[in-house]
Amino acid sequence: DTGVSQNPRHKITKRGQNVTFRCDPISEHNRLYWYRQTLGQGPEFLTYFQNEAQLEKSRLLSDRFSAERPKGSFSTLEIQRTEQGDSAMYLCASSLVSSGGPTDTQYFGPGTRLTVL
Amino acid sequence: AQSVAQPEDQVNVAEGNPLTVKCTYSVSGNPYLFWYVQYPNRGLQFLLKYITGDNLVKGSYGFEAEFNKSQTSFHLKKPSALVSDSALYFCAVRDPVGAAGNKLTFGGGTRVLVKP
Repeated sequence: DTGVSQNPRHKITKRGQNVTFRCDPISEHNRLYWYRQTLGQGPEFLTYFQNEAQLEKSRLLSDRFSAERPKGSFSTLEIQRTEQGDSAMYLCASSLVSSGGPTDTQYFGPGTRLTVL
Repeated sequence: AQSVAQPEDQVNVAEGNPLTVKCTYSVSGNPYLFWYVQYPNRGLQFLLKYITGDNLVKGSYGFEAEFNKSQTSFHLKKPSALVSDSALYFCAVRDPVGAAGNKLTFGGGTRVLVKP
């Protein structure tokens, strides 16, 4: 059994470049979340998917950010025209949601650390 | 809006002594509460959660937490700390009412240092 995986683990890019991260959730999980964590802070919610549908986006997710989960399995997070302020750890989490309400536990991947020079 | 406060940036404790990491929360309804631990350059690992029922919740690695509704607190405890418990601990809350229930809101984290 494997947990949530994320690739790449580290990404260094120059300001203005586009980057894409991938997240593979736990196989039977129907929800997938993206969070951002800056140094010394707790993770902040960015967006989440229920199967392939993107149901909520945080105001933190500017127009330069886009996320997809095309087949309800893996997800990608793309940042266009990166800025130095985008430097952070990007965390993915997945969970299995039943009809009983939001009692699911989110399991996190190891994260992708982005450094924008 | 929901929020979480972890009043201590760092907690120092000697190995074998009790460990407590404090957390208080604010939500509009009855909260769902979670504790996660993060080791260097790693993602968050789930420790335990409170949804309903017994106020004392037991979790992984000997950790437990007590939900106190009147004090809006959910402190994490371990009776006897190990050096390997040294890590960053995050408390998180989820409001089960409305759209806010779809995300976790985290505190700022508490660094725990257990000295031999």
